[in-house]
Amino acid sequence: GENVEQHPSTLSVQEGDSAVIKCTYSDSASNYFPWYKQELGKGSQLIIDIRSNVGEKKDQRIAVTLNKTAKHFSLHITETQPEDSAVYFCAASTRSGSGNTGKLIFGQGTTLQVKP
Amino acid sequence: GAVVSQHPSRVICKSGTSVKIECRSLDFQATTMFWYRQFPKQSLMLMATSNEGSKATYEQGVEKDKFLINHASLTLSTLTVTSAHPEDSSFYICSARVRDRAMGEAFFGQGTRLTVV
Repeated sequence: GENVEQHPSTLSVQEGDSAVIKCTYSDSASNYFPWYKQELGKGSQLIIDIRSNVGEKKDQRIAVTLNKTAKHFSLHITETQPEDSAVYFCAASTRSGSGNTGKLIFGQGTTLQVKP
Repeated sequence: GAVVSQHPSRVICKSGTSVKIECRSLDFQATTMFWYRQFPKQSLMLMATSNEGSKATYEQGVEKDKFLINHASLTLSTLTVTSAHPEDSSFYICSARVRDRAMGEAFFGQGTRLTVV
């Protein structure tokens, strides 16, 4: 089955610097890669996603890149702010049959701390 | 946007009792709902996948008789933790995939923190 590895487990940056979190996946059939942000005591919130037919996607300060050949994808946060501090999870999913019922397999999570 | 409501957000129960957690998609129909469990400082681990009107598919190591999942409609799935024990204390999160959206993303509920005493 699919296995997703996420690094680093913790990341501390100064406000204004960039943060990069990397994930690798094992199943070459995976075709959907979302990133979630989880604040303390709250559920996970989708912040950006990418599908296997594109290599990069950007949304304001957040970008995600995908390298299908190497089977890895990364989250890039630029101009970090203290409110970006949270736990970030990557995930990978495959389509099941003809429907969109593929389950998400999560990475281990990265605790990002942005120091003011 | 797509909203998933999970209830209750916190519950404390005594050992041996059962607890039901509800997951509702408020403004969309969910083909599939997923139930995850998260221990402190760990990632979300998939427990089971439920499709409306059919039996849930459980991940290896998850006891289906202990974690009962019912997906009676396209907007509601429930997880019942039966005969709860302290080791069942955890953060449970549901997510729902939007129906008819190609490779649709999953939207997550707020989570339920279960404490068994």
